[in-house]
Amino acid sequence: GENVEQHPSTLSVQEGDSAVIKCTYSDSASNYFPWYKQELGKGPQLIIDIRSNVGEKKDQRIAVTLNKTAKHFSLHITETQPEDSAVYFCAASPYGGSQGNLIFGKGTKLSVKP
Amino acid sequence: DTEVTQTPKHLVMGMTNKKSLKCEQHMGHRAMYWYKQKAKKPPELMFVYSYEKLSINESVPSRFSPECPNSSLLNLHLHALQPEDSALYLCASSQEKLFFGSGTQLSVL
Repeated sequence: GENVEQHPSTLSVQEGDSAVIKCTYSDSASNYFPWYKQELGKGPQLIIDIRSNVGEKKDQRIAVTLNKTAKHFSLHITETQPEDSAVYFCAASPYGGSQGNLIFGKGTKLSVKP
Repeated sequence: DTEVTQTPKHLVMGMTNKKSLKCEQHMGHRAMYWYKQKAKKPPELMFVYSYEKLSINESVPSRFSPECPNSSLLNLHLHALQPEDSALYLCASSQEKLFFGSGTQLSVL
């Protein structure tokens, strides 16, 4: 079955710096890669996703890149702000997002220091 | 609107109690889910409903009983839980993408 590795487990940056979180997956059939942000006491919030027919996607300060050959994808946050502090989960699925059978990474706790 | 609404937000129950968690979505999604999340861990899939029928049960103990009364509502009935069942219970729904509710923080005493 699919296995998703996520690194680093914790990341501390200064406000205004960039943050990068990396994930690798094992199943070459995976074709959908969402990223979730989870703040304390809240449910995971979908912040960006990418499908396997696209190499990069950007939404304001966040971007995701996908390298299918190497089976890895990354989240990039530029100009970080204190409100970006949260736990970020990557995930992968061979079924798109419609079946919810996402395989999650273990999460990265991002701290943005003012 | 990408909102999945869960009630209650917090629940404390004894091991002999019966309680229910409720979830509602009005996005027209035909798939709904229950996930369990322990502290500092990713969500773990428990149940999947597709078109109001249970399609996946991830070997969840029978003390957890899901119910889908209609396409917008999802319940999770709890009975005779154990302290190790204390966790954040997340409801989600999907069409092309998966959206989570804010969860119910459950404590079993």
